[in-house]
Amino acid sequence: GNSVTQMEGPVTLSEEAFLTINCTYTATGYPSLFWYVQYPGEGLQLLLKATKADDKGSNKGFEATYRKETTSFHLEKGSVQVSDSAVYFCALTYGGATNKLIFGTGTLLAVQP
Amino acid sequence: DAEITQSPRHKITETGRQVTLACHQTWNHNNMFWYRQDLGHGLRLIHYSYGVQDTNKGEVSDGYSVSRSNTEDLPLTLESAASSQTSVYFCASSELSTGELFFGEGSRLTVL
Repeated sequence: GNSVTQMEGPVTLSEEAFLTINCTYTATGYPSLFWYVQYPGEGLQLLLKATKADDKGSNKGFEATYRKETTSFHLEKGSVQVSDSAVYFCALTYGGATNKLIFGTGTLLAVQP
Repeated sequence: DAEITQSPRHKITETGRQVTLACHQTWNHNNMFWYRQDLGHGLRLIHYSYGVQDTNKGEVSDGYSVSRSNTEDLPLTLESAASSQTSVYFCASSELSTGELFFGEGSRLTVL
């Protein structure tokens, strides 16, 4: 079946450090891939997405590239800030009328000043 | 602006009581979902609906029910609350073409 695997956290970084959060998926065909972010006390919100192979999603300095050959969608940011501290979820869906979003378990990022 | 709202945001109840969590969206999305979030488990799907009068069980549906009488609302009912149902509950709706989910702010339920 379809699934998403994320690196376990927490990930603790100093401000301005480089961030990578790994995400790999198992799926047939060509799903759409997403990164969602959950700030403390809030619901999840979409951070970025990619809908086909080799697409790069980007937002707020974060990037992720849809790699079909390695079935990966790793999240990166060149210089993290304290305000980036949150839980990050990788997810996939085939979209359409009857498809659900499948989430990874989430990775907690803590950025220290 | 379109939005999705949940109520109540916080609820404390006793074991055995019936509890209903409301979810209302103005995106006009057909697809709506209820998830629970627990430490170590991420998000787990409880129930979902693809349109009016349609409801489906997710991976952790025992003890929960939903009904869909219109496009905008998908209330989640705990028939007889148990301590294991203490959690944060999120409602979401999705865009048809991409599957992107739009989430409410969550309802924190404590069952004593």
